[in-house]
Amino acid sequence: DQQVKQNSPSLSVQEGRISILNCDYTNSMFDYFLWYKKYPAEGPTFLISISSIKDKNEDGRFTVFLNKSAKHLSLHIVPSQPGDSAVYFCAATPYGNNRLAFGKGNQVVVIP
Amino acid sequence: SQTIHQWPATLVQPVGSPLSLECTVEGTSNPNLYWYRQAAGRGLQLLFYSVGIGQISSEVPQNLSASRPQDRQFILSSKKLLLSDSGFYLCAWSVRGPNTEAFFGQGTRLTVV
Repeated sequence: DQQVKQNSPSLSVQEGRISILNCDYTNSMFDYFLWYKKYPAEGPTFLISISSIKDKNEDGRFTVFLNKSAKHLSLHIVPSQPGDSAVYFCAATPYGNNRLAFGKGNQVVVIP
Repeated sequence: SQTIHQWPATLVQPVGSPLSLECTVEGTSNPNLYWYRQAAGRGLQLLFYSVGIGQISSEVPQNLSASRPQDRQFILSSKKLLLSDSGFYLCAWSVRGPNTEAFFGQGTRLTVV
């Protein structure tokens, strides 16, 4: 049972434009949400997170938005750069649990 | 700073052979430790997690086992590998406490033939 869902498995975007990645979850106990970036044959790298008490968190070019009522979060990357080309995973965990449930990932390709 | 080491990077093993993947963390004490697997075309699935020495919790029934003989050492094992055990195995750690991110190792690509 996939508790974290990432549709639209791939996204192509022009360099300098915005990349928007979406994630939906089904478990209402999820309290903490994270985005990871992964290059081929490497482990995922933590990007940004958001707690359920917030609806937005920003870190440089990366912004995560959380809509709890819709059980939906999104990651905005602006401006997109060629080095952003990677697979992005959405993850979530209940409070105090730290056992992350991951989505299947979105492949992002930034075209120079 | 904290670092996580995972080896080997790639492994090809015949069906029925044993498996031992090792992971160590440096620069932190009493970490939570995790083993994840990414099968082809799928997301990361949590296999095991540990909150202390000798304390292992399994998330899914499978042909694998895990052990934590030391505070910063986590081992993934199998007595007899199956073809379905092929995948990308990732070790991760996090600090204790709620709402903390996990930091991943470089992963092991296991191919069972």
